[in-house]
Amino acid sequence: KQEVTQIPAALSVPEGENLVLNCSFTDSAIYNLQWFRQDPGKGLTSLLLIQSSQREQTSGRLNASLDKSSGRSTLYIAASQPGDSATYLCAVMNSGYSTLTFGKGTMLLVSP
Amino acid sequence: GAVVSQHPSRVICKSGTSVKIECRSLDFQATTMFWYRQFPKQSLMLMATSNEGSKATYEQGVEKDKFLINHASLTLSTLTVTSAHPEDSSFYICSAGKPSGNTIYFGEGSWLTVV
Repeated sequence: KQEVTQIPAALSVPEGENLVLNCSFTDSAIYNLQWFRQDPGKGLTSLLLIQSSQREQTSGRLNASLDKSSGRSTLYIAASQPGDSATYLCAVMNSGYSTLTFGKGTMLLVSP
Repeated sequence: GAVVSQHPSRVICKSGTSVKIECRSLDFQATTMFWYRQFPKQSLMLMATSNEGSKATYEQGVEKDKFLINHASLTLSTLTVTSAHPEDSSFYICSAGKPSGNTIYFGEGSWLTVV
């Protein structure tokens, strides 16, 4: 059974810092991996999707990497802003299925 | 814009009553939709897979008689929480994937509070 772990559970940084969120998964036979953002009381917003054959994806200040063999992904946020404050969720799609297994998320607070 | 719409976004109901949550795919046909539940500070947990025209597939530990899922059309799945209790209060979210792709789209989610 796939298990997804995210570290740290919470992170507080001053504005402008570069930061890294970590995600690990136990079964490397994944189809893809996604990073989501969840604002309090809101649904999920998909940030980046990495296919199992890819190593990284970039969108603006966000960069996500995938090391499938070691079961790890990182989300790099450059020049953090207060508006980045949210919970970031990592989820993997297992091969052959369309369901997602989520981590518990990293709660990020960027202070001005 | 949103490709999966969920309604209502927030609902408060009395204990013992039933409440229905709708999930619609707006510009594609979804033969399969998924329902998740999220308790505070917990990860999303898959409750069931909703299949158009057939019975839903429930995850272990999810009561099928309590959480009724109906996927009557290719664009609509509904989740009915029957005889709701305060412990059913949670964030419920649906998702669907376009047949041609492998990106999963999520609804906005529904916050259920049972009082």
